[in-house]
Amino acid sequence: GESVGLHLPTLSVQEGDNSIINCAYSNSASDYFIWYKQESGKGPQFIIDIRSNMDKRQGQRVTVLLNKTVKHLSLQIAATQPGDSAVYFCAENKKQGGSEKLVFGKGTKLTVNP
Amino acid sequence: EPEVTQTPSHQVTQMGQEVILRCVPISNHLYFYWYRQILGQKVEFLVSFYNNEISEKSEIFDDQFSVERPDGSNFTLKIRSTKLEDSAMYFCASTILRGYEQYFGPGTRLTVT
Repeated sequence: GESVGLHLPTLSVQEGDNSIINCAYSNSASDYFIWYKQESGKGPQFIIDIRSNMDKRQGQRVTVLLNKTVKHLSLQIAATQPGDSAVYFCAENKKQGGSEKLVFGKGTKLTVNP
Repeated sequence: EPEVTQTPSHQVTQMGQEVILRCVPISNHLYFYWYRQILGQKVEFLVSFYNNEISEKSEIFDDQFSVERPDGSNFTLKIRSTKLEDSAMYFCASTILRGYEQYFGPGTRLTVT
């Protein structure tokens, strides 16, 4: 069945450290992946995306790595700040017929300690 | 920056009542979605909508649910007879093209008592 999941439900880091959040997906046919950040009481906020023809994509302080061989996705946050504290979801853009939908993982709660 | 808006932010209703959740997607977007998130759980797909018809719906989206785009700006989710288990955050999302970033609204918290 469809499954996009995360290895760890919580991650606690010190301010200034780098954070790595992992995700495993099961649908090898998926060609588009997104990381979302969700703060308490708010909707998912886009962070970064990557297509299956890439292995790595960098944004501002964030990097997404895609390993298609083992169906693994990771989000790296450099110099983590207190404002990065949130729940992070990976999502897989699943295609079915003529439609598409996002399949979300369970989320990792990132806590940044000052 | 354009954003998806949703109203109300919180809706409390009694079991068996009808509710309508409203969304205004980003104006030039063509694809619209509703997702649900039960407290503490992951975001779940409900339905996608394009060209005034449903593209895909999940098993959650049964006959009690319906969606509508009554005019050029609003996108609504109706639950005809709410159940306790419908209590959740409901998020609307939109995108300009398939296979691109979906922009999410802030959500409506639905509480069914």
